[in-house]
This record gives sequence, C-alpha cells and structure tokens, in this order.
Amino acid sequence: NAGVTQTPKFRVLKTGQSMTLLCAQDMNHEYMYWYRQDPGMGLRLIHYSVGEGTTAKGEVPDGYNVSRLKKQNFLLGLESAAPSQTSVYFCASSSGRASTGELFFGEGSRLTVL
Amino acid sequence: KNQVEQSPQSLIILEGKNCTLQCNYTVSPFSNLRWYKQDTGRGPVSLTIMTFSENTKSNGRYTATLDADTKQSSLHITASQLSDSASYICVVSRPPGGSYIPTFGRGTSLIVHP
Repeated sequence: NAGVTQTPKFRVLKTGQSMTLLCAQDMNHEYMYWYRQDPGMGLRLIHYSVGEGTTAKGEVPDGYNVSRLKKQNFLLGLESAAPSQTSVYFCASSSGRASTGELFFGEGSRLTVL
Repeated sequence: KNQVEQSPQSLIILEGKNCTLQCNYTVSPFSNLRWYKQDTGRGPVSLTIMTFSENTKSNGRYTATLDADTKQSSLHITASQLSDSASYICVVSRPPGGSYIPTFGRGTSLIVHP
C-alpha cells in the first residue's frame, strides 16, 4: 500500500524555469492538498481539490498552478520558478469527510531555485 | 480569524523525562483537533484525534487533552525516547459542510538528548 507518493523527491531549478510536481494517492480519497513548508513558517496551503476536475486556491497560491484531471493525481506546476519558491513541498489527501478526516502526507519534494 | 497557536516553539529535554506541548485555537465552529508528528525529512503522521466530547485520549506514551471551553489542547509525552525527537503539529478542523481546509499550527520542535 503506497499511500501518497510524490515525484520527484529532489529538484534544482534555475530562475525562470518551469516544472511540475506529481502527487499520486491510491486510497481513493476525494480531497487532495499541496502545502509548502519553510523554516519557522509551518505548513502553508498552496492549492487544494475537493474532487476530480476541481481546484481551489489556498493561503499562498501565487506563482503556482494545479490540475486534478484524474481522482488519484494532483499536479503542482511552477511556470516561472523564483528563488522565493525554494521550499519543501508536501502533498496530502483525505477521505470524503474532508474537514474531519485524517490527512495522509507524502514524503515531500525538496525544491531549490537558484 | 481562525488561528492555531502552539507553544513552546522549541523544546530540549533529556531522555526519560516527560514534557507537555500546548495548542490554543480560535477556530470556530469546532469539529476536531489532531496532533501530528513529523520526523525530520518525512511527512506528518497523525498521532491522535480529539473531538468535542473527549477530554483525554492516549496513544502509548502520548496523551492528548482537550478543553473545548477554553479552546486549549495539550500533548503530554511520558518517559521520552530519542525517537520522540520531531516536530509536533496541532491541526484543527471545522464540521463538514464548511471549509475543507484544516487550520495548522506552526509546530513545536522537540529534541530529546541522551
């Protein structure tokens, strides 16, 4: 049982480059989330999805785009990376009772933008 | 504004000692409160869930308490072990039908020294 899988685990980008982080879950969860974690800031929500084909903005959405074309996958895109986007990114998913359900997290993707 | 405040920000204790972490919240309406443990380089994992009617719940050496009247929770760790070194994150959720976004505290970093 893989749970929540994030790829890639590490990536180094130059300013202005683009990339996509992939999150896949095998628990048939409706809700998926992308967070970033920076020292002293805790986990901050970037975007989230309440079901296939839906997305919504979180606390810090600027500079990111997302897509949920399939229920099991949630993609996070950076169109033009900036050094301020250097961070550790976590994907999470939860079951149908989203606001009460346990969040299951991936292992994180460490992104460095030079 | 719905907020979750944790204290202390960091804590260093000796192996075998007990410690207590605090979480105060203003999230309303309230559904449940979860404590997550995040090991270095890993995603957070749920330790306990507290609902409105529960005052205390144990999970091994971890005991969580909830005072819904004062909107405070604590996580008590008994006979600490080196493996308890981690960040502990308090997360508060609202009832279904409202926001799908749980509110995160910034976490308490615990270091257990031998």
